[in-house]
Amino acid sequence: GENVEQHPSTLSVQEGDSAVIKCTYSDSASNYFPWYKQELGKGPQLIIDIRSNVGEKKDQRIAVTLNKTAKHFSLHITETQPEDSAVYFCAASIDSSYKLIFGSGTRLLVRP
Amino acid sequence: DTAVSQTPKYLVTQMGNDKSIKCEQNLGHDTMYWYKQDSKKFLKIMFSYNNKELIINETVPNRFSPKSPDKAHLNLHINSLELGDSAVYFCASSQAGVNSPLHFGNGTRLTVT
Repeated sequence: GENVEQHPSTLSVQEGDSAVIKCTYSDSASNYFPWYKQELGKGPQLIIDIRSNVGEKKDQRIAVTLNKTAKHFSLHITETQPEDSAVYFCAASIDSSYKLIFGSGTRLLVRP
Repeated sequence: DTAVSQTPKYLVTQMGNDKSIKCEQNLGHDTMYWYKQDSKKFLKIMFSYNNKELIINETVPNRFSPKSPDKAHLNLHINSLELGDSAVYFCASSQAGVNSPLHFGNGTRLTVT
């Protein structure tokens, strides 16, 4: 089955700096790669997603890149703000599988 | 106007007891899920339902029995609770399968003593 690995497990950056979180997946049939942000005491919330027919997607300060050959995808946050501090999860799934597999999470701390 | 709501938010109980967690979504979604998040924050799929039908049962002990009375509800009943069941349980829903965004509830923190 699909396995998703995520690095780093913790990331501390200065406000205004960029943050990058990387994931790899094992199943080449995976075709949907969402990223979720989880704040304390809340459920994960989708922040951006990318499908396998696209190499990069951007939404304001957040961007995601996908390298299908290497089975890597990454989340890039620019101009980080203290409110970006949270746990971020990557995930991968195969069409019609009904199973979204999550990475182990990255705790991002943005220092003011 | 909560999209996915779970009750209760906290549940503290003793080993051997039976408990239920309720979940309701008002988004009109076809697919609902239960995920378990352990103390290390790992999020693991337990069950997927589509149109009230069980699609995925991810090798969960049969002490866990989900029930979907209709498309908007997916409840989780747990028999003979064990210490290892302590975790945060999240309900989620999506329009049609996992290749559309999942909307999560705020979780139920279960503590078994």
